[in-house]
Amino acid sequence: GEEVAQTPKHLVRGEGQKAKLYCAPIKGHSYVFWYQQVLKNEFKFLISFQNENVFDETGMPKERFSAKCLPNSPCSLEIQATKLEDSAVYFCASSQFFRSAYNEQFFGPGTRLTVL
Amino acid sequence: KQEVTQIPAALSVPEGENLVLNCSFTDSAIYNLQWFRQDPGKGLTSLLLIQSSQREQTSGRLNASLDKSSGRSTLYIAASQPGDSATYLCAVSTTKGGSYIPTFGRGTSLIVHP
Repeated sequence: GEEVAQTPKHLVRGEGQKAKLYCAPIKGHSYVFWYQQVLKNEFKFLISFQNENVFDETGMPKERFSAKCLPNSPCSLEIQATKLEDSAVYFCASSQFFRSAYNEQFFGPGTRLTVL
Repeated sequence: KQEVTQIPAALSVPEGENLVLNCSFTDSAIYNLQWFRQDPGKGLTSLLLIQSSQREQTSGRLNASLDKSSGRSTLYIAASQPGDSATYLCAVSTTKGGSYIPTFGRGTSLIVHP
C-alpha cells in the first residue's frame, strides 16, 4: 500500500491481559520501526526490522514485549501481561532506506492502547 | 547521547504571520534531520528531510535549514494558515555507535487563529 497501516485503532485491555498490535509497511519498504508515545510528544524507540530480521531492539522491554515481521504478513508487536504503564499510543513507521541519509520514515496513524 | 530541544514549546499566532520554529541538537555527527507534523490523535506526517550534506530544503510554504556546526535547524512557515495548526516535531538521526534511530524533540504546539 501507499501508506503505513496499523490495526486496531484502539485497544483496551485489563491489566495482565495480552495485547497484539499490527502494522503493514508501505509496499517496497524493507525497514519497519516501532515507537511508543506515552506522554504527549515524547517518542520512545522500541525496535526496528530489516525485512523479517531484527535490526535494533535496544528499546524493547524484553520481559513482556516481543515483535515479529514475517514474510507476507503484517508486522506485529505483542505485549504479554500488560501493565498500566503500557498505556500509550504505539506507532509503526517504515522506510525504504535505513543506513543512509535518505532514510525518511513514514508513520502510521498509531494504535492507542489503554490498560485498565 | 543525542538530545534534541525544540523552542518554543507552544505558539499561538494570527493567520498570515511568518513563523520560525527552532530545533537544537547536542551531537553534530548527524545523518539527517526530519521535520514532522502531528495532528491531534493522529500519526506523524513527514514534512521535510534534510541530509547532513544539505543546508536547506523547501516544500511549498515550508523551508527548513540545517546548521550542523551549531547544532541547529529551523522550520520556517510562510503566511501561516489555520490549517497549519498542529504539533511540529524534529527528529535527528546520528551516526555514532551505529545507531540510526532518530531522536525526537518534544515538539512545538502551534495554533494559528483566523
